[in-house]
Amino acid sequence: SAVISQKPSRDICQRGTSLTIQCQVDSQVTMMFWYRQQPGQSLTLIATANQGSEATYESGFVIDKFPISRPNLTFSTLTVSNMSPEDSSIYLCSALAPSVHEQFFGPGTRLTVL
Amino acid sequence: GENVEQHPSTLSVQEGDSAVIKCTYSDSASNYFPWYKQELGKRPQLIIDIRSNVGEKKDQRIAVTLNKTAKHFSLHITETQPEDSAVYFCAASIGPSWGSNYKLTFGKGTLLTVNP
Repeated sequence: SAVISQKPSRDICQRGTSLTIQCQVDSQVTMMFWYRQQPGQSLTLIATANQGSEATYESGFVIDKFPISRPNLTFSTLTVSNMSPEDSSIYLCSALAPSVHEQFFGPGTRLTVL
Repeated sequence: GENVEQHPSTLSVQEGDSAVIKCTYSDSASNYFPWYKQELGKRPQLIIDIRSNVGEKKDQRIAVTLNKTAKHFSLHITETQPEDSAVYFCAASIGPSWGSNYKLTFGKGTLLTVNP
């Protein structure tokens, strides 16, 4: 399995500001993903972070709002830009472990925007 | 794209009883069906998965069945215990291989409560 850590675990931010969330995997992985989860809701895929190329965004999510970096096979960042209260949510990093073809999740970042 | 429906949204059982959660999917190309358990405030944890070349898979008290013809799959938990209480998510992936087309589509989740 892959062990995934995220920083920060939680943050409270003012509207109009940006927050960058970091995701670190303890082994090299082929694919990394960023999800959003509202309290009591399911997981919604924001984008797939591709190493060496631009992220692939899902419908309803755009690069200007959620820029993603993937500089190597173990690390990715998600930035939530120009935040509004509607961005308050839990953001989860996830990775596909190539050896077992299973997808694991990080502990999440709880974001509150005031 | 893929659409995954999950039922029921809530399920309450007595300790020792069985629990069954059902999911249907829309894309016949999907070939991977994992189940995740998420306890309150925690990350989703993979508990079992099934791939389209098998019809059933079992791991101790947990089993998953797959009917590709009907495009549905189910999670079965036997001899439930209070620590089984959590939200369970089913998911399906599109893509013939683990390439760039792979992505999980999740159901809306089932809140399972096991009463002592």
